Amino acid sequence: DAGVIQSPRHEVTEMGQEVTLRCKPISGHDYLFWYRQTMMRGLELLIYFNNNVPIDDSGMPEDRFSAKMPNASFSTLKIQPSEPRDSAVYFCASSPGLAGDLYQETQYFGPGTRLLVL
Amino acid sequence: GQNIDQPTEMTATEGAIVQINCTYQTSGFNGLFWYQQHAGEAPTFLSYNVLDGLEEKGRFSSFLSRSKGYSYLLLKELQMKDSASYLCAVLDSNYQLIWGAGTKLIIKP
Repeated sequence: DAGVIQSPRHEVTEMGQEVTLRCKPISGHDYLFWYRQTMMRGLELLIYFNNNVPIDDSGMPEDRFSAKMPNASFSTLKIQPSEPRDSAVYFCASSPGLAGDLYQETQYFGPGTRLLVL
Repeated sequence: GQNIDQPTEMTATEGAIVQINCTYQTSGFNGLFWYQQHAGEAPTFLSYNVLDGLEEKGRFSSFLSRSKGYSYLLLKELQMKDSASYLCAVLDSNYQLIWGAGTKLIIKP
């Protein structure tokens, strides 16, 4: 399996521009997670999906952030408009996700998208 | 609130043994994970514990005491490539994964 795939790997944009991050989870995984990581705040869960349905988006910072999962093999995280404080590494992760079974709960991370907003 | 504590940074010598501690206070407990993250890379899964005791996996072992809200990751025969951050994460009663800030491990020759 190719693992979790994310694109782009690096993104540099100007404040106010729209940014779209993409993720392809591991085939057969029912759960997909979007995280943000910064030196100051560590790893933060933004939102996660179960079978393409958003379950918990309480970590999404504000309305400028939105995420979709139109099918089992694709998800996007969009920031519009972007701000310098959004600069971070954004990770997508997936897991088989059967509650009560830690083997199934193990999350596998993509390589991340390094976002810099100027 | 939910809280996971790990030392910010540790230093050890190549060939030695190091123990990275993690204490947690969460709403419920359904398991504890350890992840390794090299600089500039994604976290990768190392181990999980759900029952008390020691789980050994080659040079790495992870211990859990649920009554004490405590875990440690033990790394033996340290190699330079073990220089990384080590993240402790707890699965709470809602099966949400709560992440610690990570421990940066520096290995010196």
